[in-house]
Amino acid sequence: GAGVSQSPSNKVTEKGKDVELRCDPISGHTALYWYRQSLGQGLEFLIYFQGNSAPDKSGLPSDRFSAERTGGSVSTLTIQRTQQEDSAVYLCASSPDRGIVSYGYTFGSGTRLTVV
Amino acid sequence: AQRVTQPEKLLSVFKGAPVELKCNYSYSGSPELFWYVQYSRQRLQLLLRHISRESIKGFTADLNKGETSFHLKKPFAQEEDSAMYYCALQGAQKLVFGQGTRLTINP
Repeated sequence: GAGVSQSPSNKVTEKGKDVELRCDPISGHTALYWYRQSLGQGLEFLIYFQGNSAPDKSGLPSDRFSAERTGGSVSTLTIQRTQQEDSAVYLCASSPDRGIVSYGYTFGSGTRLTVV
Repeated sequence: AQRVTQPEKLLSVFKGAPVELKCNYSYSGSPELFWYVQYSRQRLQLLLRHISRESIKGFTADLNKGETSFHLKKPFAQEEDSAMYYCALQGAQKLVFGQGTRLTINP
């Protein structure tokens, strides 16, 4: 596709429910990143996928959070047993190659998650 | 440790005035730095990269290794510059972002 696509754009869920957020990166981009954007917290790194390598999960805040990337393309971020503090905008980004750092990342428009 | 600090959460200047958004970093390696911008109701996008030494929309940023800074500057602010600005450092694996500065340009 022309850009990074995320769905849904908005999600309201009840506390304790599970949610799945989807990211479709730019075709051919081997690196994919998830960040969380919340008021006063800036952009918080969650997880990073690069090709067939093991993902860097060092930013996941708890074991309720997990992510996978199927076929080196689409990624799904899953939050189990959601809590109110999970409310934030979840951003996905992709880049062509980890080695070509000077191009920066292309971000999706995000999924705004609200836990009530 | 890799860290990016943007000391100002909010910055407000008048149209036509100079603007400077501060960014300091901490990184043991050779830094690669970026500024990203998010306009109202738009997605986060790359504004400029230190490696290309470019000026985008009148903005420039110079890497000062001695002061470990990468401040964003524009000599004459315009109303359309109002947005959220993030400074970012490319670490070993990923971009590390600062907390962001919300810039408001008053008419």
